[in-house]
Amino acid sequence: EAGVAQSPRYKIIEKRQSVAFWCNPISGHATLYWYQQILGQGPKLLIQFQNNGVVDDSQLPKDRFSAERLKGVDSTLKIQPAKLEDSAVYLCASSLWTGNYVNNEQFFGPGTRLTVL
Amino acid sequence: QKEVEQNSGPLSVPEGAIASLNCTYSDRGSQSFFWYRQYSGKSPELIMFIYSNGDKEDGRFTAQLNKASQYVSLLIRDSQPSDSATYLCAVRSSNTGKLIFGQGTTLQVKP
Repeated sequence: EAGVAQSPRYKIIEKRQSVAFWCNPISGHATLYWYQQILGQGPKLLIQFQNNGVVDDSQLPKDRFSAERLKGVDSTLKIQPAKLEDSAVYLCASSLWTGNYVNNEQFFGPGTRLTVL
Repeated sequence: QKEVEQNSGPLSVPEGAIASLNCTYSDRGSQSFFWYRQYSGKSPELIMFIYSNGDKEDGRFTAQLNKASQYVSLLIRDSQPSDSATYLCAVRSSNTGKLIFGQGTTLQVKP
């Protein structure tokens, strides 16, 4: 079974530029998550999709970040314009919907390391 | 107060010893608790989860949950140098189902 795919793996941009990340979840996984992990911290959820609907985007900085999952499969996360503090690893994860969240395992992709100069 | 707290470490143990990693959380309604291992430069991988009070064992790993004290721990028996990594505690929110992660504890197992 293929894992969660993400691209690019690394990206270096200058502040005020825009950048987009792509994620393809494990086949059949209805739930998709985007996390931001700043060095030395745990992952922080930015947005959670159930199929193509948003479940939680309470910590997404909506003035600069946007995300979509149009066909309920792959997803893109965009930052426009980027700030220095956006330097982080952006992790995509997916999980199989089992009808409840109690023991719902999330599988993480390799991440995209973003450096904003 | 942080929602999920862990001591950042590093926690250093000799090879073969028991490593004890601790985590406290603030949301009393949290339903399930996860331990992830993250090697440097890699993504988190699930070690085990627990949702009932008490102990849950899986090989060399034991998760312990005490909901009254809002405390969850991970014991690693017979620690190996390959266990050296950052261990992330994650708590599933009772309201939305999202995972809230602690900052992680770095474990160093010395040969």
